[in-house]
Amino acid sequence: KNQVEQSPQSLIILEGKNCTLQCNYTVSPFSNLRWYKQDTGRGPVSLTIMTFSENTKSNGRYTATLDADTKQSSLHITASQLSDSASYICVVSAGTGTALIFGKGTTLSVSS
Amino acid sequence: NAGVMQNPRHLVRRRGQEARLRCSPMKGHSHVYWYRQLPEEGLKFMVYLQKENIIDESGMPKERFSAEFPKEGPSILRIQQVVRGDSAAYFCASSPRAPNGESEQYFGPGTRLTVT
Repeated sequence: KNQVEQSPQSLIILEGKNCTLQCNYTVSPFSNLRWYKQDTGRGPVSLTIMTFSENTKSNGRYTATLDADTKQSSLHITASQLSDSASYICVVSAGTGTALIFGKGTTLSVSS
Repeated sequence: NAGVMQNPRHLVRRRGQEARLRCSPMKGHSHVYWYRQLPEEGLKFMVYLQKENIIDESGMPKERFSAEFPKEGPSILRIQQVVRGDSAAYFCASSPRAPNGESEQYFGPGTRLTVT
């Protein structure tokens, strides 16, 4: 069964600190992995997309890594800001069909 | 270029009524996707449409749910005879190309359906 698991479920950090969110997936065949940011009451916004051959991809203070052998990904946020408070969702695209398979997300709260 | 538009943003229906959710894709996008997000759950794929055609409805419940994307006008997700379990946030996304490789999907703000 295709699944995407994320940890931790929630995280609280102080403004300016770094954090790393984890994603494990069992999706076959694998096409690509995406990280989305979803603010409360809004739709998800794409941060990064990585294919099988990519190990790391950055978007400003966000850096995603992918280990296709262990089927793990991480999202590292550097120098967190209050506006980073949101849900971060790991999404895997299977090589067959249309569906994106979503994790439940990690809820990040950045406090001052 | 306006983003994906969804309306209404909030919809309240009594059990047994019909709910109609509308989605206008980004300009130039002919591929539309509907997702449902139940409380405390991740988004789940429902249906993928291209202008006037349903391409993949593997995530759509077999009864009471239907979707269309006419040649003119927005895509419509229709839920007949709503039940409390239909209460959820329904997200629409659109893309300029078919969903393969790194084709990006752009999400709307969602419609929050509450069934009382």
